[in-house]
Amino acid sequence: QVQLVESGGGVVQPGGSLRLSCAASGFTFSSYGMHWVRQAPGKGLEWVAFIRYDGSNKYYADSVKGRFTISRDNSKNTLYLQMNSLRAEDTAVYYCAKDLAGSDAFDIWGQGTMVTVSS
Amino acid sequence: AIRMTQSPSSLSASTGDRVTITCRASQGISSYLAWYQQKPGKAPKLLIYAASTLQSGVPSRFSGSGSGTDFTLTISCLQSEDFATYYCQQYYSYPITFGQGTRLEIK
Repeated sequence: QVQLVESGGGVVQPGGSLRLSCAASGFTFSSYGMHWVRQAPGKGLEWVAFIRYDGSNKYYADSVKGRFTISRDNSKNTLYLQMNSLRAEDTAVYYCAKDLAGSDAFDIWGQGTMVTVSS
Repeated sequence: AIRMTQSPSSLSASTGDRVTITCRASQGISSYLAWYQQKPGKAPKLLIYAASTLQSGVPSRFSGSGSGTDFTLTISCLQSEDFATYYCQQYYSYPITFGQGTRLEIK
């Protein structure tokens, strides 16, 4: 079945780095744009980053621009989010999400991975 | 960035009720709007995209309407499983933005 599974979350000190992964299965990963969306504890949804199906275009939220990098390996059906210079306000559940064909609505979501930035 | 404002922020209703949630964009977004349902501890679920197109598998009691700046999500006959938080999302331009959410609670 169509599935996204995130991994790589954990506890990291302020200023530290973490790399999240999102393993895709059940669909042709290389044909779809992919996103990262986060949700701080008790808060709403915040879009983080997008990468085009072939990796040629990337967009970022202002809050993470210059610190986070989205990438993908279509040969491994995997999406990544490299997070550097982490801050307390980056603490959140991070979801990867798949583009609905022909739009930037998100039709498939992973279960999420928790990132906690704390000393 | 386009600001999305939902109202109300919370809503109490009973099973069988008809409820409407509104979402207003700070500038025109045509029909590039989606609605999601999220239950505690779970990932969001896509309900509606292109403002009014029901995602496959979503019950027909959910409907969406609007274009430009004003949008609505209507649940025609609330079921127990519908009590959740609902978010609108614009995908007209980057950065993609969400509304702050509407928490639908049992009265």
